[in-house]
Parts: sequence; structure tokens; C-alpha cells
Amino acid sequence: EVQLLESGGGLVQPGGSLRLSCAVSGFSFSDYEMNWVRQTPGEGLEWISYIDVNAVVRYADSVKGRFTVSRDNAKNSLYLQMDSLRVDDTAIYYCAREIRGAVGDALDVWGQGTMVTVSS
Amino acid sequence: QSTLTQPASVSGSPGQSITISCTGTSSDVGAYNSVSWYQQHPGKAPKLMIYEVINRPSGVSNRFSGSKTGNTASLTISGLQAEDEANYYCNSHTGASTFYVFGTGTKVTVL
Repeated sequence: EVQLLESGGGLVQPGGSLRLSCAVSGFSFSDYEMNWVRQTPGEGLEWISYIDVNAVVRYADSVKGRFTVSRDNAKNSLYLQMDSLRVDDTAIYYCAREIRGAVGDALDVWGQGTMVTVSS
Repeated sequence: QSTLTQPASVSGSPGQSITISCTGTSSDVGAYNSVSWYQQHPGKAPKLMIYEVINRPSGVSNRFSGSKTGNTASLTISGLQAEDEANYYCNSHTGASTFYVFGTGTKVTVL
């Protein structure tokens, strides 16, 4: 069974750091691009980061320079290092697998999410 | 960052059909056939319902269908069922600095 399991969320003060992990199973992790998406409680979805099979990365403007995405194919794991956290980074963070179709991409498998709360 | 525009809510009676619109620009929805739709029930992770504008993943009911005209994509749910009550989000690649952009989300209510 294909599964993504996020961990590492919690309560952190503004300006602090947190590292999220996403452990994958059930598929060949090294063959897939991966993404992080977040959702403020009760609000919509926001794409924040992408990493391809060669570790080429992209970020949303809202997190660029503060967040770093990485992957360890040997450990079947995806990571999101979050520094200089702000109150408006408070959200549920999801990792999601990307599938590449003939003409477009989509996020076909999602984890259950991990909650990050930034508050003093 | 910019988002795609969706109606805040759409409702219908069981058995009816409803359509959710997703309006973007010539830099995202209009430029790419990489439009996807996600269903999210409260407290759950999003679920992929449509990808590449019109394609359904294995296991998704054929009551769900997608289309696109110009800068606007649409998701149609036919034969509306109680289990379809959820939030729905569209998504597209974008040529802007943002790689992906989501829609504002639509709450579907089954009357």
C-alpha cells in the first residue's frame, strides 16, 4: 500500500525552527517528484515546495529563503527544514507525491498531515 | 501569491448535477493542461479526483468529470450523492515564480 507519513510538527515560537519529515512506503520513492502543501485550519490549500528526482527544488514566494526541502532516497524520506518561522506559518503541512501524465502533473497521494503552530 | 478563483459554495439535491468553476489566467489555467481537482472531507487529507483537466484516477467515480475553456476549468459532479458533500479545490501549474497554484476552494452541500 502506498503511504506517506508526516512527522515533526509541534509548537514553536516565532523566529524558531522546525524540521518536518515524510516517510514513504509502497512505491519507489527515488522515481517520484515530491511536494509540500500547507493548509491553515479552516482555510484553503497553499503549495509551498517541490523537489524533483535530481533534487532540483522550487518554493513559493511566501517561504523562499526560510524553508528548505530535501530528500534522502536511501531512507525513503522527504524533509522540510523551516527556519525563521512566523505566526502566519501556522498550518497543517502535507507531503504529496507528484505523478507526471502525458500533458500535466498532479498530486496523487497525500499524507495525513502534521500540525505546526507558531505562537509565543 | 495569486490563487485561482472558485465560488465559495455550490449546492444541489441528490441526483442533480452541479458544476464548479475555477478561473485563472493565461499564465496558469489557460497555459497548461495540468489542471487537477481535489476533494477534501473535514479533517481528512485532499484526494485527487481529476488530473490533466479531464482524466480520472483509478477508483474515482465516473460521476466526476472535468473540462476547460480558455482560462476557466470546471468540475462537474453528476448524480449528486450525500458522500459528495466536501470541499473541492482546483490546481494548476503556473509560469509565474510560484510553481503550482490552488483555487480558493468550494464547499459543496447536498441538500
